[in-house]
Order: sequence, then C-alpha cells, then structure tokens
Amino acid sequence: QITLKESGPTLVKPTQTLTLTCTFSGFSLSTSGVSVGWIRQPPGKALEWLALIYWDDGKRYRPSLKSRLTITKDTSKNQVVLTMTNMDPVDTATYYCAHRLSAYDIWGQGTMVTVSS
Amino acid sequence: QSALTQPPSASGSPGQSVTISCTGTSSDVGGYNYVSWYQQHPGKAPKLMIYEVSKRPSGVPDRFSGSKSGNTASLTVSGLQAEDESDYYCSSYAGSNNVEVFGGGTKLTVL
Repeated sequence: QITLKESGPTLVKPTQTLTLTCTFSGFSLSTSGVSVGWIRQPPGKALEWLALIYWDDGKRYRPSLKSRLTITKDTSKNQVVLTMTNMDPVDTATYYCAHRLSAYDIWGQGTMVTVSS
Repeated sequence: QSALTQPPSASGSPGQSVTISCTGTSSDVGGYNYVSWYQQHPGKAPKLMIYEVSKRPSGVPDRFSGSKSGNTASLTVSGLQAEDESDYYCSSYAGSNNVEVFGGGTKLTVL
C-alpha cells in the first residue's frame, strides 16, 4: 500500500524560504519509471503543478517558479523535499505531494501553508 | 504555460450522463496521450479517475470514461449518482517545456 504524507511549517513570513518534506512508503524512488511530484492549491482555487523528481534524479519545474523551487530526494529515507524561496502571501495554499507513474495515482493528505507577517 | 480550459460548472440529474471538456493546445492535450482526470471532494485530496486519456485505475467505476479529439479531452460520467458531485480537474503533459499543466476545474452538480 502506497502512502505519502507532507510535513512542514503551517505559517511562514514573507521573503522566508519554505521547506516541505514528503515522506512516503510502499514504493521506492529508485525504481525505474517512478516519480514524485508537488502540486499546490490556493484556497478556493485550482490545482497548480509545481515540480517533479524522477527515479533517476531527473527534475522538472513550473517555468514561472523555476528560479524559486528546488526538489530533491533522499532514497534511503523515502523522502522528497521541496524548497521554495522568497515566499509571498500569494503562495498561501495547500501543498500536496503525489506518487506518479503516468499520472498522479496516489496523493498525500496535503499540508496548508499560510504566508503572512 | 497556460492552464487548460475547463467549463466552471456542469450539472445533470441522477441517472443522466454529463461530459466535461478540457481544451488545450497541440503542445499539450493535442500532442500527447498523457491526459488525466482527478476528482476532488471538498477538503479532500484529489483522486485519479482517468489516466492516459481513457484508462481507468482499479476501483474507479466504469461510469467514468475519457476520450480525446484534437486539442480537447473529455470526461464523461454516465448514470450520475449523488456521490459524483465534486470538482473535477484535467491535467496534461506539456512537452514544449517538459512540464505538466492542470485545468481550472469544473464543479459538477447532481441536481
């Protein structure tokens, strides 16, 4: 059974760096074809794809946020970490991580992050 | 990249069929067979309903089906049930930037 869970701060100040951790079980991120992505959803708004990391350490980022995002993996810990620099109130959202083969088939419960001074 | 275009709302009575569209470009929906659909109930994480345009994950009722024509993908829900009332999002691989893009979401109401 595949499970994922997001963790990190619930409140960050503007200009700070957000670090979110996705801890998963039931699969290995060293298995060919497997990837883990991050998707966010501002309150009352649509889903926004942010970043993806592959089993071979390939990475992809949302073009408009590429300069602010970094995604890494620790295969031994079964974790994927997303960092987002220079946080702004518009980044307030629920952040999800999800397991991906050809689509996001298993999602974490999400973690709400509020950006406010 | 631009979000895929979905109608904000759709509705149907129990037992009826409803189709939700998802329009992109030849750089995303039209260029690849990597369109997926997600169902999201309020306060819950999205759930994968359709992947690779028309494939259903195990456990998803066959009342849900997907298709694509040109730059537009569609999700059809047949035999509407009360529990189908939810938000639905499409997503596609966008090869021009090697990224992924979601639609704006459609709120499906079962009358």
